[in-house]
Amino acid sequence: ILNVEQSPQSLHVQEGDSTNFTCSFPSSNFYALHWYRWETAKSPEALFVMTLNGDEKKKGRISATLNTKEGYSYLYIKGSQPEDSATYLCAFIGGGATNKLIFGTGTLLAVQP
Amino acid sequence: EAQVTQNPRYLITVTGKKLTVTCSQNMNHEYMSWYRQDPGLGLRQIYYSMNVEVTDKGDVPEGYKVSRKEKRNFPLILESPSPNQTSLYFCASSLRVQVSTDTQYFGPGTRLTVL
Repeated sequence: ILNVEQSPQSLHVQEGDSTNFTCSFPSSNFYALHWYRWETAKSPEALFVMTLNGDEKKKGRISATLNTKEGYSYLYIKGSQPEDSATYLCAFIGGGATNKLIFGTGTLLAVQP
Repeated sequence: EAQVTQNPRYLITVTGKKLTVTCSQNMNHEYMSWYRQDPGLGLRQIYYSMNVEVTDKGDVPEGYKVSRKEKRNFPLILESPSPNQTSLYFCASSLRVQVSTDTQYFGPGTRLTVL
């Protein structure tokens, strides 16, 4: 059974703080890693699709890095704003199944004004 | 507007009463998928489809059926719902068959309660 873990489970920061969280996944048979942002009462929205070791992606104040050899990805948010409050999900594709996504349980970020 | 739609959004039903949750996308996407979300467990894939008449099991397919007779539609069928299928369900689609390199677009979710 493939396991995808995210840490921390939840995070409370003040507006303006920078923060980061981790997604850990199996390092063998890696195909891709997705990051999604999920606001309460809405649908998950795609942030990044990452496929290559060493990949770095950026979207505004949010960026992500990927290390496929050691099996982790970091998501960074610079200068957190209240509107960044959401659950951040990662999804691993690999292990021989190129069309199945294995999601982590997410990191819940709360940004206080 | 490009979107994934699901109906119904909320459903309360009783054990054993067959139900269908519809999913439709207007983006001509090849890949469609169903997930369920339960507290502490994350999104788990139920079934996915790479094209018309091509479907495959995800991680938790027991108790569910799907069909893909048209490219735009991917209904989720519960032949005999049970209380352990009470959950939040999401449909999603991707443009290309190789979902590994393509983002998914999620529907608004269907909250199902089985009494």
